Amino acid sequence: DTEVTQTPKHLVMGMTNKKSLKCEQHMGHRAMYWYKQKAKKPPELMFVYSYEKLSINESVPSRFSPECPNSSLLNLHLHALQPEDSALYLCASSQGLAGGRIEQYFGPGTRLTVT
Amino acid sequence: GESVGLHLPTLSVQEGDNSIINCAYSNSASDYFIWYKQESGKGPQFIIDIRSNMDKRQGQRVTVLLNKTVKHLSLQIAATQPGDSAVYFCAENQAPGANSKLTFGKGITLSVRP
Repeated sequence: DTEVTQTPKHLVMGMTNKKSLKCEQHMGHRAMYWYKQKAKKPPELMFVYSYEKLSINESVPSRFSPECPNSSLLNLHLHALQPEDSALYLCASSQGLAGGRIEQYFGPGTRLTVT
Repeated sequence: GESVGLHLPTLSVQEGDNSIINCAYSNSASDYFIWYKQESGKGPQFIIDIRSNMDKRQGQRVTVLLNKTVKHLSLQIAATQPGDSAVYFCAENQAPGANSKLTFGKGITLSVRP
């Protein structure tokens, strides 16, 4: 089973709203990732968690706040977003961050529209 | 392949022909490479990977070739089918070690003609 699930599939929010994106995997993977993808562009890394600790933050604005409650779950809390934050948000997981375990498996994404 | 503006480069092939998708990577220290397929409205799907100590790896109907001398990666798809139509991304691990992460290329659209 190489499934990563994400909810919701679509989200429309205003600039003053607070919302959360959720990601779950049951593959026993210890690294989880958030990516942002704009139309016709490759995924851009936002955050990496390894063993439930934040490992990489790619200088993401503080209006995006990640959380890893346990090894299977990854959340992305959203607050005071801008219209330019509208994008497909992808979650991924891998066995680890080094050695022979770094192939990443992606979820279907959450299509976010900020109005 | 390099993209121009918002338009991804496109490779158009006849159904049944072989496809070759090319990617130039940037970092000679990269030790691991992956090809992903992304269909419209879906997340990227893992196709095949290769480590820098190899120059060829084969999967089912797909082959990845790595030329470290010229920093070039290619994906060959045999007997291309309509279901192969998608955007293809190569990705490299530019930071081998405990903080490894993937950096994606700009993507190439494969269009299969019936």
